[in-house]
Amino acid sequence: AQTVTQSQPEMSVQEAETVTLSCTYDTSENNYYLFWYKQPPSRQMILVIRQEAYKQQNATENRFSVNFQKAAKSFSLKISDSQLGDTAMYFCAFMKQVPGTYKYIFGTGTRLKVLA
Amino acid sequence: KAGVTQTPRYLIKTRGQQVTLSCSPISGHRSVSWYQQTPGQGLQFLFEYFSETQRNKGNFPGRFSGRQFSNSRSEMNVSTLELGDSALYLCASRQTSGGPPDTQYFGPGTRLTVL
Repeated sequence: AQTVTQSQPEMSVQEAETVTLSCTYDTSENNYYLFWYKQPPSRQMILVIRQEAYKQQNATENRFSVNFQKAAKSFSLKISDSQLGDTAMYFCAFMKQVPGTYKYIFGTGTRLKVLA
Repeated sequence: KAGVTQTPRYLIKTRGQQVTLSCSPISGHRSVSWYQQTPGQGLQFLFEYFSETQRNKGNFPGRFSGRQFSNSRSEMNVSTLELGDSALYLCASRQTSGGPPDTQYFGPGTRLTVL
């Protein structure tokens, strides 16, 4: 069975600094997708970034980038120039195709606090 | 386009009661998934519906059930509530089910408290 592990329950970072959130996963699949979702306090979960496993190039979205290490089954999220609005719960998610649809598995989340 | 909406946003029930939660997906989205979010457990997948058919199911007891209507709106029902059912229930919609994966959009959730 697939599992997703986020080993850092809580983290904090000073405004304008860089922080990296870790995520590891376990799978025997070769084709899958990985995501980072952000859930701000009392607000809706939104997609931050996604990575297709067949792509070697790391995905980047503005200040957010990933370090995807397929062999190591690692998918970390780097947030550069942290802003107060980045304070949120961050979830790493694994997705693979199953008959007729896709199956998502989420980690337990990392609570990130950006300090002024 | 309006986002995913869920009603009610907050709900308080007592043990043994039943509850129905509602989710309206983004217009044009035909796939609706339900998740239970609890501290320390993250998001646990409940089930997915597409075109009124359940396509996928997580490891939850039969007390948890759902359905989808022809307009893609979905409801989730929990019968014989237990204290451990207290959680944030999230609904997420996607445009398709199968084929190239598209982004899953989440609703604000329904906070259920069981006393």
